[in-house]
Amino acid sequence: DQQVKQNSPSLSVQEGRISILNCDYTNSMFDYFLWYKKYPAEGPTFLISISSIKDKNEDGRFTVFLNKSAKHLSLHIVPSQPGDSAVYFCAASRFETSGSRLTFGEGTQLTVNP
Amino acid sequence: EAQVTQNPRYLITVTGKKLTVTCSQNMNHEYMSWYRQDPGLGLRQIYYSMNVEVTDKGDVPEGYKVSRKEKRNFPLILESPSPNQTSLYFCASGSNRGLNTEAFFGQGTRLTVV
Repeated sequence: DQQVKQNSPSLSVQEGRISILNCDYTNSMFDYFLWYKKYPAEGPTFLISISSIKDKNEDGRFTVFLNKSAKHLSLHIVPSQPGDSAVYFCAASRFETSGSRLTFGEGTQLTVNP
Repeated sequence: EAQVTQNPRYLITVTGKKLTVTCSQNMNHEYMSWYRQDPGLGLRQIYYSMNVEVTDKGDVPEGYKVSRKEKRNFPLILESPSPNQTSLYFCASGSNRGLNTEAFFGQGTRLTVV
């Protein structure tokens, strides 16, 4: 069963607007969450993370929100830029295993149109 | 330059012919992992290693072997490849120390088994 789900395979937004990517998880033991960005022919690159003791983490244009009761997290990109066009993966883990034992969602292809 | 290096980047092989995909990291990371990426499934973990001589199964270990004889290297071995192992493979590494323990990924190995 898919413990981490990204229900939107694709998202298209205009440059300068907000991009919101969503992720749901089912395993209540997860307490560390990460977002990765992937360009074609490259490996995933780390974007931002959040632990379950927080409900928000911000890094420049990127903000991740965590709603533990709903088992839902989202990534906001403001403002969106054409260079943000990539596949975004949500991942979850236990804090003690951190990045060594990641469970990924299916990915969302973000396209930012000029 | 800090990096995770996988070789080869592309490989076409025949069913049953043993192969090894190498992975090396130069960041003195404690943990290393192997993932496979398939359409609609995201990345799924094959094996991981928390340190030298310590390896554990991930979510899809069947048909794969690994070894961790040195800290920097974590080869993936397919003793008898089959067509269902055609996939995009990623090696990752990371540190267990400190707060930022996200995984760093290699550029990927695209394997085709015919």
